[in-house]
Amino acid sequence: NAGVTQTPKFRILKIGQSMTLQCTQDMNHNYMYWYRQDPGMGLKLIYYSVGAGITDKGEVPNGYNVSRSTTEDFPLRLELAAPSQTSVYFCASSYDVGRTWDFGNGTRLTVT
Amino acid sequence: QQPVQSPQAVILREGEDAVINCSSSKALYSVHWYRQKHGEAPVFLMILLKGGEQKGHEKISASFNEKKQQSSLYLTASQLSYSGTYFCGTETYNQGGKLIFGQGTELSVKP
Repeated sequence: NAGVTQTPKFRILKIGQSMTLQCTQDMNHNYMYWYRQDPGMGLKLIYYSVGAGITDKGEVPNGYNVSRSTTEDFPLRLELAAPSQTSVYFCASSYDVGRTWDFGNGTRLTVT
Repeated sequence: QQPVQSPQAVILREGEDAVINCSSSKALYSVHWYRQKHGEAPVFLMILLKGGEQKGHEKISASFNEKKQQSSLYLTASQLSYSGTYFCGTETYNQGGKLIFGQGTELSVKP
């Protein structure tokens, strides 16, 4: 298994641009998540999904959108990028509640 | 609501022990512990599901007091490789599958 794969690894955006962060997992996990981590800070939940077609907001959803059309993929969309969205974004997945989680290697995003 | 970790930072000499605490104001279904090194993704350490359960991973163990909504991570005979930031993540009964992380505890082990 490749585990959780995030692309791209690095990206620089200009203010107002849009982009999609890709996340895919090949473990048939039902639950998928997006977190952001600002420098020196903890992980904040942006959005999560408990299965294909079902998504819900986390702690910091403003400025982001998600979709879950397949079990494998959970893309995160940034519309109208702002400097406050400069962060490292982690995707994670789990098979079920109370089970171990797998994290991707992260995407470093800079908005200038 | 975000769980609260204490202490925020700790410095150890190699071979010393440390305890990191995680507490929540909500009834917890599970507690997860992760370690993150600078510039890397969090790495899973252990998950605790039952009240009073204690688990071990090499010289790292943890307990979970379901009644007090608290968990503690115990690091014994610390090694240089233990340095990093430790995060607890909590799942609540009414929001299963939604893992909220604490603010982290930075652990530095010196020779």
